[in-house]
Amino acid sequence: DIVMTQSPDSLAVSLGERATINCKSSQSVLHTSNNKNYLAWYQQKSGQPPKLLIYWASIRESGVPDRFSGSGSGTDFTLTISSLQAEDVAVYYCQHFYTNPVTFGRGTRLEIK
Amino acid sequence: QVQLVQSGGGVVQPGRSLRLSCAASGFLVSTYVMHWVRQAPGKGPEWVALMSSDGITKYYADSVKGRFTISRDNSKNTLYLQMDSLRHEDTAVYYCAKDRDQNLIHYFGDWGLGTLVTVSS
Repeated sequence: DIVMTQSPDSLAVSLGERATINCKSSQSVLHTSNNKNYLAWYQQKSGQPPKLLIYWASIRESGVPDRFSGSGSGTDFTLTISSLQAEDVAVYYCQHFYTNPVTFGRGTRLEIK
Repeated sequence: QVQLVQSGGGVVQPGRSLRLSCAASGFLVSTYVMHWVRQAPGKGPEWVALMSSDGITKYYADSVKGRFTISRDNSKNTLYLQMDSLRHEDTAVYYCAKDRDQNLIHYFGDWGLGTLVTVSS
């Protein structure tokens, strides 16, 4: 199975500042047939299910604010929140969908400094 | 509007069984790949099982293979997870989830609210 490793485990950022979360896969999730990275990002607020933010590593889901962006390729990926808002407090997960089984990272907890 | 309404969780003793349900509205479960995903307390999500849109293909995580069975009732537009021989390590919130798109690519655009399963003697 592909192992997804996120860093840091937790992060405290001031309102209006940039937040950066990293995700590394144990093998490449770039499919050479279509040049797409099979990587998604989710946001999970307390007591709620995960919410899809980003797929194909950089495509923002409909309705997701444009302060959220995804980047990276191969094995190294980043979720960036350009200007942190109070409502962004949550745990963020990356997930690969390159093969079965899909697997998730252990999460990064984002808090306000 | 897609909705996934879950039921069937609870407290169960090790070795016993439980069935989870996920009633869908706003789409047909027979037209999308459907999944069960679980999340143990304080942990990341763990994919558990999937059923293809044609109902023929079913995949399971190694941790539940031979003990859990995914199924559906098209007439009720409902997905199920039959969980047998439950273990302490099966304790988690269980979510049903739907592929975002009909392209056999498994990222999850819609989730149920989850149901807690606690395996305890």
